[in-house]
Parts: sequence; structure tokens; C-alpha cells
Amino acid sequence: DGGITQSPKYLFRKEGQNVTLSCEQNLNHDAMYWYRQDPGQGLRLIYYSQIVNDFQKGDIAEGYSVSREKKESFPLTVTSAQKNPTAFYLCASSRSQGVAEKLFFGSGTQLSVL
Amino acid sequence: GESVGLHLPTLSVQEGDNSIINCAYSNSASDYFIWYKQESGKGPQFIIDIRSNMDKRQGQRVTVLLNKTVKHLSLQIAATQPGDSAVYFCAAETNAGNMLTFGGGTRLMVKP
Repeated sequence: DGGITQSPKYLFRKEGQNVTLSCEQNLNHDAMYWYRQDPGQGLRLIYYSQIVNDFQKGDIAEGYSVSREKKESFPLTVTSAQKNPTAFYLCASSRSQGVAEKLFFGSGTQLSVL
Repeated sequence: GESVGLHLPTLSVQEGDNSIINCAYSNSASDYFIWYKQESGKGPQFIIDIRSNMDKRQGQRVTVLLNKTVKHLSLQIAATQPGDSAVYFCAAETNAGNMLTFGGGTRLMVKP
């Protein structure tokens, strides 16, 4: 089945620790995105990538980093600089970013601080 | 920029009734609109979308209405079922390649 796979489903971070969230897609989509969702809130864009080896900051990029070495993969690292990392993280993809069209979402990763 | 907001954070309906979830957007240049359904602990699922050259689009049990004059979007769900219970998000985007801007979500609760 084609889709987007996020792992792990639950992740715990200790103070001062960096953690990496995985996102893989087999939809052959060019564009990939990371969103953060806080309880009762909408989705806020962290980073996005239109093409391999290129990515741009979204609205709340501080304390996060990404890479796009392969078309299929767009991992997100939550660094120790992110002081309030507890949230639900969603990865998404679309065929291209240049034309308005729907995003396909993964099932999310819940990150909590120990 | 664009801001998107839903009118009610929570909507409670009786099973079998029709549901209407409303959304307002701010940017008159927005030309693509989309509704997502999100169940607890899961990622959003696409429901239906509409472009600004249309004012109505129908899917299976769902209809999206777009009023560009007042910058308002609504999602209508016919014969609401318990499985429709979820949070519903609207989002808007301009065709200039900007990102989708999401509203805060409306939680739909279906009473048996």
C-alpha cells in the first residue's frame, strides 16, 4: 500500500537530548512537510522540502532541524534548543509544492518530555 | 498572509441529523480550500476539496460550499453517523505556491 509512515508512534525526550522523528513515503511525492499540533490547536508548519537536498523553514522552525537526502525520507530532529517540544508531530507529502493541492498525512508521533 | 478560523470549537449533533461545520478565511486571493477529518491519535484524512472557480462540490455524504464574497467555507455532512465523530479542519491556500494554512479545528460529537 502506498502511504506515509511515521515512527515511532510515541517518543520520550530527556532534558538536553536531541531526538529524531522518522518520516518515509512511497507515493513518489516531491514535496514533504513537518507540522506540529498542540492540544486543541490547528497545525503549524515547522519545515518543508520541495525537492531532494533542499528545504525551507516554516512558521516555527526554531529548535528543529531536517534533512532531505532521499526523495522518500524527511527526518525531523527536535534539538535541545526546543524548550517546549511536547506535541503531536505530523509529516505530510504532496506531489509538488508549486501547485495548490492536498496533503497526505502520516499517523503522527507523540513526543513527550521526561 | 492568510488566517483561517472555524466558528465553533465543538459541535454536537444527533445521529442521523445533518451537520454543518463552518470556516472563515481572510485572504481574498486564496483559491484552494480543503477539509480534513482527524480522529484521536491519528493523522488528518482528506475529505473533500474545492477550488475558487466553484461554489459547491459534493462527495459521498459530504458537501462543501464556498462563498467567496464573505470568505466563508462550510462542510455539510448528511445523515451523521457515530463514525463521523472527529475533529474537522479546514485549510486554505493561494495558487502562488504558498503553504496550506489550517484553522483550529471543530470537534464533532455524534449523540446516539
